Amino acid sequence: QKEVEQNSGPLSVPEGAIASLNCTYSDRGSQSFFWYRQYSGKSPELIMFIYSNGDKEDGRFTAQLNKASQYVSLLIRDSQPSDSATYLCAVNPGRRALTFGSGTRLQVQP
Amino acid sequence: SQTIHQWPATLVQPVGSPLSLECTVEGTSNPNLYWYRQAAGRGLQLLFYSVGIGQISSEVPQNLSASRPQDRQFILSSKKLLLSDSGFYLCAWSYSGSTDTQYFGPGTRLTVL
Repeated sequence: QKEVEQNSGPLSVPEGAIASLNCTYSDRGSQSFFWYRQYSGKSPELIMFIYSNGDKEDGRFTAQLNKASQYVSLLIRDSQPSDSATYLCAVNPGRRALTFGSGTRLQVQP
Repeated sequence: SQTIHQWPATLVQPVGSPLSLECTVEGTSNPNLYWYRQAAGRGLQLLFYSVGIGQISSEVPQNLSASRPQDRQFILSSKKLLLSDSGFYLCAWSYSGSTDTQYFGPGTRLTVL
């Protein structure tokens, strides 16, 4: 079992819709969780982090964490074509570095 | 504010040639530093991390090595490149003492022919 699992996609949504990206992790001791956005050919950039169960909102982005289910999600409201990218979920298992999923490719159709 | 630089941005090298990629961080002291590799269409593979000058931990045994000669400088090297070394090499930093939020440099795209 991979430590951090994401559906590779592509996830296709129409402009203005809500995009829902999901991630599961295997290490129950993980304490912090991150979402990075990576445009094609570019390096990952941090979008959000979440430490506690529940929702955390930042503009059009909402991160959701459920530690009991070992599940993290990212919701993007009012999706724009500029949101088209690969979204990487990362988990801090309390060891040396973050563990990254392989990413979900999001396509927002104009 | 903190900034992270990597160079070169792109590199094309023949098989068997040496490699040296450099990463520097500005605006913070004693950061944790990381080297990742991303193969085409794949996730991030942690190669090395460092918590201080001269302190390097290797995550994946291979023909690559890393060094940290100065507090904010991290170098990735190879004596002889393999075809499988092609990929997107990313340097990242996090605050001293924390393995938490990591910030990435612009990356180096390496093609080995």
